[in-house]
Amino acid sequence: LAKTTQPISMDSYEGQEVNITCSHNNIATNDYITWYQQFPSQGPRFIIQGYKTKVTNEVASLFIPADRKSSTLSLPRVSLSDTAVYYCLVGESNFGNEKLTFGTGTRLTIIP
Amino acid sequence: DTGVSQDPRHKITKRGQNVTFRCDPISEHNRLYWYRQTLGQGPEFLTYFQNEAQLEKSRLLSDRFSAERPKGSFSTLEIQRTEQGDSAMYLCASTEDRATGNTIYFGEGSWLTVV
Repeated sequence: LAKTTQPISMDSYEGQEVNITCSHNNIATNDYITWYQQFPSQGPRFIIQGYKTKVTNEVASLFIPADRKSSTLSLPRVSLSDTAVYYCLVGESNFGNEKLTFGTGTRLTIIP
Repeated sequence: DTGVSQDPRHKITKRGQNVTFRCDPISEHNRLYWYRQTLGQGPEFLTYFQNEAQLEKSRLLSDRFSAERPKGSFSTLEIQRTEQGDSAMYLCASTEDRATGNTIYFGEGSWLTVV
């Protein structure tokens, strides 16, 4: 499994766009990049997944450069409810016998 | 789709007692995972089932831990002779067996406090 590196914490003001970058230098050809969000005392919640270029859904965008050695989760116009821990994971899309490996994530704090 | 359900949500037990957690995955999800999470850390993989078969166990899963998924639906995680170090949130997750774009769905977790 490719190891990921992301900032331990970030602060942002309400209404701003927040970009969280994850480094995964050893990503393999078959690996997908997945981001999860976790609120205190709750299980992680899937946000977005991508393989290359850009993926957008109703809550976030995921930007992946051509070399795929990093990815950026973009949260538009954050609100206080976006305060959470965000995890970047890399692994094969068909998880098969592979388990997700979480790091310590990025603790995002939104300031009013 | 009612999501992954875990029970109980909270459990306080005395050291040395046995505890059992139950997980009901999303229906028709044939893969089921157990994770453990302590404060300030990300979830750590414990074990994984494909239908009723337990295919992988982490070294974190000592011999005091046992997980079952007898009919390939719900799963139980039992901890025998609990120790204070077992205090954590135990997360269950499930997913379909699809070739691409698998998304793993987590339950709300079961908090264990060993006193």
